[in-house]
Amino acid sequence: GENVEQHPSTLSVQEGDSAVIKCTYSDSASNYFPWYKQELGKGPQLIIDIRSNVGEKKDQRIAVTLNKTAKHFSLHITETQPEDSAVYFCAASSTNAGGTSYGKLTFGQGTILTVHP
Amino acid sequence: DTEVTQTPKHLVMGMTNKKSLKCEQHMGHRAMYWYKQKAKKPPELMFVYSYEKLSINESVPSRFSPECPNSSLLNLHLHALQPEDSALYLCASSEQNDEKLFFGSGTQLSVL
Repeated sequence: GENVEQHPSTLSVQEGDSAVIKCTYSDSASNYFPWYKQELGKGPQLIIDIRSNVGEKKDQRIAVTLNKTAKHFSLHITETQPEDSAVYFCAASSTNAGGTSYGKLTFGQGTILTVHP
Repeated sequence: DTEVTQTPKHLVMGMTNKKSLKCEQHMGHRAMYWYKQKAKKPPELMFVYSYEKLSINESVPSRFSPECPNSSLLNLHLHALQPEDSALYLCASSEQNDEKLFFGSGTQLSVL
């Protein structure tokens, strides 16, 4: 099955700095890579995602890059703010041979991001 | 309405109790999920319902019994749980054949 490795496990930055979280996956059939942000006492919230036919995607201060050859993808947050502090999870999934997908995501272990004012 | 609503937010139960967790969404999603999340760990898939039918059971013990009464509601019935079942139980939904999951805030369950 799929295995997703996520690094670092904790990341501490100063407000205004950039933060980068990296993930690698094992299954070359994986074709969907979301990033979730989970704040204390809340469920994971999808913040950005990318599919395997795209190399980079950006949404304001957040960007995701994908290298299919190396099987890794990264989350980039620029101009970090204290409200970016949370746990971030990467994930991977694949569409099965029948063309269906049931949200069977394999998650990385998470990165605790702390942004200091 | 882009919310998945879970009740209760917190639940404490004994090992002999029977309780139910509830989940509701009004986004017209036809796939609904139960995930379990232990502290400082990622969510783990338990069950998937597609068009109100159970399509995936990730070898979950029978003391957890899911139910999907209609396309908007998802229940998780709990019976004879163990202390190691204490966790955050997350409900999620998605459009059919779409991996974009929308999660609720979860029910924090403590089994004494």
